[in-house]
Amino acid sequence: DQQVKQNSPSLSVQEGRISILNCDYTNSMFDYFLWYKKYPAEGPTFLISISSIKDKNEDGRFTVFLNKSAKHLSLHIVPSQPGDSAVYFCAASVRNSGGSNYKLTFGKGTLLTVNP
Amino acid sequence: DAGITQSPRHKVTETGTPVTLRCHQTENHRYMYWYRQDPGHGLRLIHYSYGVKDTDKGEVSDGYSVSRSKTEDFLLTLESATSSQTSVYFCAISATGRTYGYTFGSGTRLTVV
Repeated sequence: DQQVKQNSPSLSVQEGRISILNCDYTNSMFDYFLWYKKYPAEGPTFLISISSIKDKNEDGRFTVFLNKSAKHLSLHIVPSQPGDSAVYFCAASVRNSGGSNYKLTFGKGTLLTVNP
Repeated sequence: DAGITQSPRHKVTETGTPVTLRCHQTENHRYMYWYRQDPGHGLRLIHYSYGVKDTDKGEVSDGYSVSRSKTEDFLLTLESATSSQTSVYFCAISATGRTYGYTFGSGTRLTVV
């Protein structure tokens, strides 16, 4: 049972336009969400995160929106640049009962292509 | 990067042979993780460790074992490699805070022929 879903395997946008990547989750216990970016032949790198107590977090060109009632989050990239072309993974975590450890559950990823 | 290296970077092995992948960190982080990445499946957790000699299974642990005898090293072993274990393997480390999630290594591409 997939708890974190990225239903769009790929997305193509023009340089300068907005990219919107979507993610849905089913586990209501998730309380922290992250986006990672991955280039070919490299490991995923952290991009932006949001706690469930917030509905928006912004960092430069990247904004993550969280809709808890819909169990949906999205990543907005404005303006999109060719260097943003990569696979984007949505991830979610729930704090273990011990309070200090956590495990990330990842979606399948969305390949973003930004065309010049 | 945050001082995490994986070795080897690439490996081709034959079905039925044992294979060990190594993850080494210089950050003294307590928690370490092994993931595999496959087309159509994203990143899936194999095993993780929450301290020296303390490990637990992830969602796809069958056919894999791990060991952590030192804080800095986390080994993933395929006891008898199968073609279904052809994948890209990523090691990750995390501190106790969740804001920035994990830091991943560059990956090991394993091909089982």
